[in-house]
Amino acid sequence: SQQGEEDPQALSIQEGENATMNCSYKTSINNLQWYRQNSGRGLVHLILIRSNEREKHSGRLRVTLDTSKKSSSLLITASRAADTASYFCATDRGRGGADGLTFGKGTHLIIQP
Amino acid sequence: DTEVTQTPKHLVMGMTNKKSLKCEQHMGHRAMYWYKQKAKKPPELMFVYSYEKLSINESVPSRFSPECPNSSLLNLHLHALQPEDSALYLCASSQVPTANYEQYFGPGTRLTVT
Repeated sequence: SQQGEEDPQALSIQEGENATMNCSYKTSINNLQWYRQNSGRGLVHLILIRSNEREKHSGRLRVTLDTSKKSSSLLITASRAADTASYFCATDRGRGGADGLTFGKGTHLIIQP
Repeated sequence: DTEVTQTPKHLVMGMTNKKSLKCEQHMGHRAMYWYKQKAKKPPELMFVYSYEKLSINESVPSRFSPECPNSSLLNLHLHALQPEDSALYLCASSQVPTANYEQYFGPGTRLTVT
């Protein structure tokens, strides 16, 4: 079963506008990550936020984490056509040791020129 | 070098064929992963290798057989696949085998089973 659920599933905005995507998850986590995927190819890591952090910035990206609501948001400011991609949140499963990621369903973002 | 390479990029195979997917990284990462991604769906974890040993098998059918010959190389051997196994197979690596570090993904192998 999927740990994360993104909202919205698809988002279309004009270039220069801000894009906000949300992610909810169900179980306790140690961290939450956001990845970008262009056209069904490999995923690119964007940002990792740990469970004891509330907000993190990286360039035009701002991520928030609310562990009480089990939710995170990704804000992309001043969007560009190159930001068109699918965005996934990913979590660990809250257990120690070797583990992989559990991905949310993803938000498909389209930036209109 | 922060690249994970995967070969081949595309693979078409019949249900009776045996083929292998290859993944390589030279970042000194000690964890490597296989994920499967169906169209318009998120990646799903298949296997986790930790220090060249299989740590996690997410109940993957035995027609998928992973192998880690050394710390830089990960293979996925395919045998007697079904059409529903057609998907994008993604390899990833991370510095250490926990989910607390970013993962580096290869471009994937797009597999079609006929």
